Amino acid sequence: ETGVTQSPTHLIKTRGQQVTLRCSSQSGHNTVSWYQQALGQGPQFIFQYYREEENGRGNFPPRFSGLQFPNYSSELNVNALELDDSALYLCASSSQGTGLSAYEQYFGPGTRLTVT
Amino acid sequence: AQSVTQPDIHITVSEGASLELRCNYSYGATPYLFWYVQSPGQGLQLLLKYFSGDTLVQGIKGFEAEFKRSQSSFNLRKPSVHWSDAAEYFCAVDGATNKLIFGTGTLLAVQP
Repeated sequence: ETGVTQSPTHLIKTRGQQVTLRCSSQSGHNTVSWYQQALGQGPQFIFQYYREEENGRGNFPPRFSGLQFPNYSSELNVNALELDDSALYLCASSSQGTGLSAYEQYFGPGTRLTVT
Repeated sequence: AQSVTQPDIHITVSEGASLELRCNYSYGATPYLFWYVQSPGQGLQLLLKYFSGDTLVQGIKGFEAEFKRSQSSFNLRKPSVHWSDAAEYFCAVDGATNKLIFGTGTLLAVQP
């Protein structure tokens, strides 16, 4: 069974630039959620994708956007980067339509984004 | 508002000692409850979960947690801590929305 993978591991960008982060879901999972973890904080929910559509969004501005592909992998795009966007971005996958196990989310190792 | 509180930011225990990490939640109904562990530079690993039924749940690595509805708590315990347990521990809730709300975490240090 292949776990959740994310790329790249680390990224440094300049304020105002745009960034794309990638996530491959765990084998058999059809739902991907993205979380932002600032230093010293717990992860904060950004949004979730299911069946290639956004399926819930946290309190993040529209410059945070995403995609899900037919193979269930996903991208997180952030436009007009700000210094406060510096964080660990975590992707989690789960499997909707499988009863209570649908609520078990399995996380990737994250992408560390630094905005200067 | 829905929230999760982990009152202890940092805890140090001796190897072999018992451990209890506290978690309290504020939610309209009983949510689904989770504990995750994060090692330095790593993602989150699911330790255990509570959906319903028996209020004492067993997880991986010898951890267990007890749900107490009257106290809105879901404390994590381990009878004997190993040096490899040093990490950050996060409590999380899900109101059946498949969206996790996390606490701010408790950093566990283990003394030899």
